Amino acid sequence: KAGVTQTPRYLIKTRGQQVTLSCSPISGHRSVSWYQQTPGQGLQFLFEYFSETQRNKGNFPGRFSGRQFSNSRSEMNVSTLELGDSALYLCASRRLAGPETDTQYFGPGTRLTVL
Amino acid sequence: AQSVAQPEDQVNVAEGNPLTVKCTYSVSGNPYLFWYVQYPNRGLQFLLKYITGDNLVKGSYGFEAEFNKSQTSFHLKKPSALVSDSALYFCAVRDMSYGGSQGNLIFGKGTKLSVKP
Repeated sequence: KAGVTQTPRYLIKTRGQQVTLSCSPISGHRSVSWYQQTPGQGLQFLFEYFSETQRNKGNFPGRFSGRQFSNSRSEMNVSTLELGDSALYLCASRRLAGPETDTQYFGPGTRLTVL
Repeated sequence: AQSVAQPEDQVNVAEGNPLTVKCTYSVSGNPYLFWYVQYPNRGLQFLLKYITGDNLVKGSYGFEAEFNKSQTSFHLKKPSALVSDSALYFCAVRDMSYGGSQGNLIFGKGTKLSVKP
């Protein structure tokens, strides 16, 4: 079974631009969560989606947003990029029914560099 | 507030020796605890979890972890370390702030494991 896939793997943007990252969950997984990983702050939760609705949100400004499609694929968007948004953005998926609903499986991440 | 602490930034072990990576937690209620490993320029790989049951949990690649409720700890262990185990290890707890219907994790800062030949 294919794992979580994220595209693109690497992105370089300049301050003020916006960016969209994409995540395809493991087949059968309906929940998608996003995390930001930086050397200073570590791994921080951004938001979780299932049934095309945001279910929970971390402590990030409104410039960070996301959505989920009917096929469970998810996108996250960051507007008006700042230097501090440079990070590895990780997507994770999990089941909502059956075994292992508590376990999140992560994709390889998208490395965003803001210049 | 719920939190996870990994008191060691780095652990150095010789190949063939046992390894321990420490984790302590602070949650209200029963914890859902996880260990993940991250290799350079990669995402996180799930190693093992404790939800309920036996305090000793076995996971992938020969790793195991011991849940200790009285010490609020969940240390990761392996009897014989390999050079290929060198990586960044994260302990995490499921955030139960909203009753647990959400699945997001609260992570420790990570511990870099270095295994020397």
